[in-house]
Order: sequence, then structure tokens, then C-alpha cells
Amino acid sequence: GESVGLHLPTLSVQEGDNSIINCAYSNSASDYFIWYKQESGKGPQFIIDIRSNMDKRQGQRVTVLLNKTVKHLSLQIAATQPGDSAVYFCAETTGTASKLTFGTGTRLQVTL
Amino acid sequence: EAGVAQSPRYKIIEKRQSVAFWCNPISGHATLYWYQQILGQGPKLLIQFQNNGVVDDSQLPKDRFSAERLKGVDSTLKIQPAKLEDSAVYLCASSFRPHGGYTFGSGTRLTVV
Repeated sequence: GESVGLHLPTLSVQEGDNSIINCAYSNSASDYFIWYKQESGKGPQFIIDIRSNMDKRQGQRVTVLLNKTVKHLSLQIAATQPGDSAVYFCAETTGTASKLTFGTGTRLQVTL
Repeated sequence: EAGVAQSPRYKIIEKRQSVAFWCNPISGHATLYWYQQILGQGPKLLIQFQNNGVVDDSQLPKDRFSAERLKGVDSTLKIQPAKLEDSAVYLCASSFRPHGGYTFGSGTRLTVV
């Protein structure tokens, strides 16, 4: 069968360092954004969300920044741990629909 | 609370065969989604149900894919006949309201040979 692209962008960080994962979105009408973490063999797991009327939101060890001017979203993970190793996806949707449009994903590798 | 249950976890079939996947959402969640995730890509919505009615199936290949949600609870996604390019993980998710927080199941990994 056809082999589909496996070359996710990869971010490698040392344990204890901060990680920043970036995402560009395309739909200027999107007003709700979510970051998901997906470990091998599992479904996406909710990390943090942000609405378009905010530019920053903080959770436990995670911060999401939203720049609507350039349609850019970032996820910051403080004091990265080995358990943070996974693929991270950003997703967007609009206020009138709940269909999520996912980005390509970034693989985070935490080295000891 | 119990999560979204999916079965089977893995399925290998030959092209042109049929296959069905089952999803049991979180109790009380009115909205149910089926996503297709090809290896190395983000999930893509196939179909969205609100209770037992279809809200969005614009990206469902209706010539071969079908889905139903009887009684507004469990859902079944079927592929008939399967093609090689259908090899993917099929994820079910549910939420208690549209635009609400999703919970995803672990998915069914389909390999078509």
C-alpha cells in the first residue's frame, strides 16, 4: 500500500528545559483553539484551550499563546518531563460549528 | 467517568472486504464524532452526530463509508468495500454539547492489504 508521510516535525528537548511548540492556522474565522497530546496507540488527549478573545491562557505547566494577527498559536511546556514525550496537535474550530480542524502535529522528544 | 470505548482495537482486512467499527460514547454525551487519522497526520472529521441525527458528513466518502447512531447512543462506522488508502486509525470522540470539550477513544487501527 501507499506509504503516507511519516516525517512529523520533531522537537527534541532535555528534561527540565522548557518546550515551545508552534502552530499556524489558516482560517481567520476560527475562534476556539485546542492543544492535544497524542501518545502512541492512544487517542488525542485534551491539554488546554483558548478562545479568540484571549491571547494567553495558563494551565498547570502549560501556557497557550494566541496571535490572531499572524494566525499563530504556541504551546509552552515548563520543566519538560519524559512523560511529555508525544505528538502534539493544535486544532481550531469556529463558533457555529464544532468540527475540529487539526494541524499536522509536532513530535516532542524529551532526552534525559 | 468511563471513557469513550471503541472496538476492535486492531483489524486487518483485504481490499474490497467490508469492516465495521463500534463506538460507545461517554454517558450523556449528545454529540459523537468519527475521525480518520492517517499515519503521520492529524485527525480528519468523517461524520458528526447530534443525538441520532447527522450534523456534518461532508467529508465522508459516501460511496463506501456509512455510519449510524441508533437511539442516540452507540455508533457504528462501516466501510464497504475497503481500499488500500483506508488504512488508518479511526477515532471516535464525544462531547456533551457541540463546541464542548471532546473526549477521544483509543481508536481502531485498520490495515487494508
